[in-house]
Amino acid sequence: NAGVMQNPRHLVRRRGQEARLRCSPMKGHSHVYWYRQLPEEGLKFMVYLQKENIIDESGMPKERFSAEFPKEGPSILRIQQVVRGDSAAYFCASSPGRKETQYFGPGTRLLVL
Amino acid sequence: AQSVTQLGSHVSVSEGALVLLRCNYSSSVPPYLFWYVQYPNQGLQLLLKYTSAATLVKGINGFEAEFKKSETSFHLTKPSAHMSDAAEYFCAVSIPSGTDKLIFGTGTRLQVFP
Repeated sequence: NAGVMQNPRHLVRRRGQEARLRCSPMKGHSHVYWYRQLPEEGLKFMVYLQKENIIDESGMPKERFSAEFPKEGPSILRIQQVVRGDSAAYFCASSPGRKETQYFGPGTRLLVL
Repeated sequence: AQSVTQLGSHVSVSEGALVLLRCNYSSSVPPYLFWYVQYPNQGLQLLLKYTSAATLVKGINGFEAEFKKSETSFHLTKPSAHMSDAAEYFCAVSIPSGTDKLIFGTGTRLQVFP
């Protein structure tokens, strides 16, 4: 059973461009969580999604950030008009249901030049 | 609001010595508590979790943690450190009645010297 897959693993963008981060949950998992890790800091919750629904987006910045988890395909975290402060590692986790263990992917490291 | 405090951003031990990584939490309701380990350029791996059953929780790789409500602590221990234990360790809390989001501490980097 493959683990949580994230791609790309590394992404370089210039200020003002768009970044799209993809997360394929483990087989049988319908819950996806996105976290952001800034340099020298712990992970900060961003958003929690189930298939086609956003359950909790209390950690998402109000502007430029959006997330989706369609019925088919991976979950997408989209950052529009990136700024240097968006440089971070973005981790996706998945679980098979509520109150179940979250399994983390290897992360996407975004660098904004 | 819930929060986690990890005392000591860096801990160094000799191989074979006791490992003690400290975690204190703040929560208005009984929480779930977790320890995750992160190796360089990798994702997080669950070491162990407390979900209101036994207060002494045993995890993988010889680690264990004890939930102490009176001290609001969930310290991670291992009797004898191995070189392979060198990594970043994160304590996290979630609320059973909430949306399962994990609230992480800032992490403790463990170094193991031969």
